[in-house]
Amino acid sequence: KQEVTQIPAALSVPEGENLVLNCSFTDSAIYNLQWFRQDPGKGLTSLLLIQSSQREQTSGRLNASLDKSSGRSTLYIAASQPGDSATYLCAVSDYKLSFGAGTTVTVRA
Amino acid sequence: AAGVIQSPRHLIKEKRETATLKCYPIPRHDTVYWYQQGPGQDPQFLISFYEKMQSDKGSIPDRFSAQQFSDYHSELNMSSLELGDSALYFCASSNGGAGGSYEQYFGPGTRLTVT
Repeated sequence: KQEVTQIPAALSVPEGENLVLNCSFTDSAIYNLQWFRQDPGKGLTSLLLIQSSQREQTSGRLNASLDKSSGRSTLYIAASQPGDSATYLCAVSDYKLSFGAGTTVTVRA
Repeated sequence: AAGVIQSPRHLIKEKRETATLKCYPIPRHDTVYWYQQGPGQDPQFLISFYEKMQSDKGSIPDRFSAQQFSDYHSELNMSSLELGDSALYFCASSNGGAGGSYEQYFGPGTRLTVT
């Protein structure tokens, strides 16, 4: 059974600082990996998708890397803003998604 | 662009009642997934359908059933509701055929409260 772990569980940073969110998974036989953002009580917004054959993906201030052999992915958010405050979820796919517990980010103005 | 539609958005039921949640996937997406997210928990996979056939099953209670119809919309039926069924239920869809990425797009969710 796929186990997905996200470290740290919570993170508080001043505005402008770069964020580094870590995700690890136990089974490297994945199809792809998605990073999501979730605001309290709200739905899941897909941020980035990395196919298993890719090493990284970028969208604006977001960059995600994938090392399938070691079972790790990292989400980088550059120049954080208070609007980035949310919970970030990592999910790995063997067609269905297995989610981590998330990292709750607070960006202080 | 069209997104995944779920209805109703909020539902309040009493114990032992039944509930039906509906999902309308993005047009031309061939796979539908259902997930349950309990309070303070990460989403858990329940069941999926590919081209109207059940393709995978997760931790879905026997009291729950689901199906996908000819127009590709899906329904999750929940019977003998328990307090522990109170959760946010997400539907997602993806397109995997003909080089599709299998990227899952999520609906806004249905918040079910069982009293």
